[in-house]
Amino acid sequence: QVSLKESGPGILQPFQTLSLTCSFSGFSLGTSNMGVGWIRQTSGKGLEYLATIWWDDDKYFNPSLNSRLTVSKDTSNNQAFLKITSVDTADTGTYYCTRAALTGSSYFDYWGQGVMVTVSS
Amino acid sequence: DIRMTQSPASLSASLGETVNIECLASEDIYSDLAWYQQKPGKSPQLLIYNANSLQNGVPSRFSGSGSGTQYSLKINSLQSEDVATYFCQQYNNYPNTFGAGTKLELK
Repeated sequence: QVSLKESGPGILQPFQTLSLTCSFSGFSLGTSNMGVGWIRQTSGKGLEYLATIWWDDDKYFNPSLNSRLTVSKDTSNNQAFLKITSVDTADTGTYYCTRAALTGSSYFDYWGQGVMVTVSS
Repeated sequence: DIRMTQSPASLSASLGETVNIECLASEDIYSDLAWYQQKPGKSPQLLIYNANSLQNGVPSRFSGSGSGTQYSLKINSLQSEDVATYFCQQYNNYPNTFGAGTKLELK
């Protein structure tokens, strides 16, 4: 049974770095063709794809945020991580980690419950 | 980026009615299209992938169709639990992009 759960700071100030953790079960990023994707939902842009990290440590980033994003993984502990540098109010929203169903560009067959992030001074 | 245009933005329908939601891609996405359902306060859930393949566990009253740039989600015999917002997503090209959503309410 696949499940994912995001965790993060809740509130942070402009220019800080957002760090999110995705803890998952039911699959492993040590298995070929597995990937964890990050998607956010904001009032300004709706659902927005951010990045994916794959079992072989390959990564893809949305070019619109590329320079601000970092993704990584801890295969042993079934966790994936997202960092966004220099946040501003436009980064306020709900962040989801997901399982990518395909290798490469993919749809997402399992989603976490989401974590709300507010950027405010 | 590929732009996904959903219509209508909102929809009101009666129980038992058939509902159609459209998604138009700005270029050919070769059926690399998924549909998601998001109920209030919940995360999106996958309904359809590859334009017309039903995800395991999804009721058969949901179906998808389309090709090229035009796709649709059909809900037969609308149930009260279908009240939700529906999103399309293309995965033919990076970055994956989503439609703005169609909010479905009961009349």
